[in-house]
Amino acid sequence: GAGVSQSPSNKVTEKGKDVELRCDPISGHTALYWYRQSLGQGLEFLIYFQGNSAPDKSGLPSDRFSAERTGGSVSTLTIQRTQQEDSAVYLCASHRIYMNTEAFFGQGTRLTVV
Amino acid sequence: RKEVEQDPGPFNVPEGATVAFNCTYSNSASQSFFWYRQDCRKEPKLLMSVYSSGNEDGRFTAQLNRASQYISLLIRDSKLSDSATYLCAVNKDSGAGSYQLTFGKGTKLSVIP
Repeated sequence: GAGVSQSPSNKVTEKGKDVELRCDPISGHTALYWYRQSLGQGLEFLIYFQGNSAPDKSGLPSDRFSAERTGGSVSTLTIQRTQQEDSAVYLCASHRIYMNTEAFFGQGTRLTVV
Repeated sequence: RKEVEQDPGPFNVPEGATVAFNCTYSNSASQSFFWYRQDCRKEPKLLMSVYSSGNEDGRFTAQLNRASQYISLLIRDSKLSDSATYLCAVNKDSGAGSYQLTFGKGTKLSVIP
């Protein structure tokens, strides 16, 4: 009965480096989302997975951002050539396929680009 | 029009006050609605689902107005501990029997002593 797990919880990286963030959803949850949240701001949608496919990736801010999901489970969000404006908390959420199902969030990865 | 819209606030209310938030949605086919609460530097957590007939949980009442396409959250007798950001979430059919949730940006509430 573990919840959504994200790693690392904190990441400090130098500008220009690539980073990989990981999300382990609740077992059996076919839907998975990535969001970005800057300090004091609202959730910014990045990408939605249904199984291993991403029918909605409209929120990815640039081609430096990519995400994949394998085995209908773990997802990784990759940011290439990080910029200072990428600094934010990256949240992952998952839910079951059914209509009236709530989403559960992980605790997020706090990314700081210096 | 954005899929889900909320007044960002902040709403600053005294303890004991009643406060209401609205959330409008654009997809008339949406079937599931939720309110989430997000504390500072924490992840959002489900506060309550919103049912067609409206539902109440203690001091919290959620309502759905399909005709005008909005949901509301009413908090009575506000407590200091209610200070948080309140986000609404609305689903849409993303095909093949699956549903995608869309979140609003949230409304910030500060309850003042």
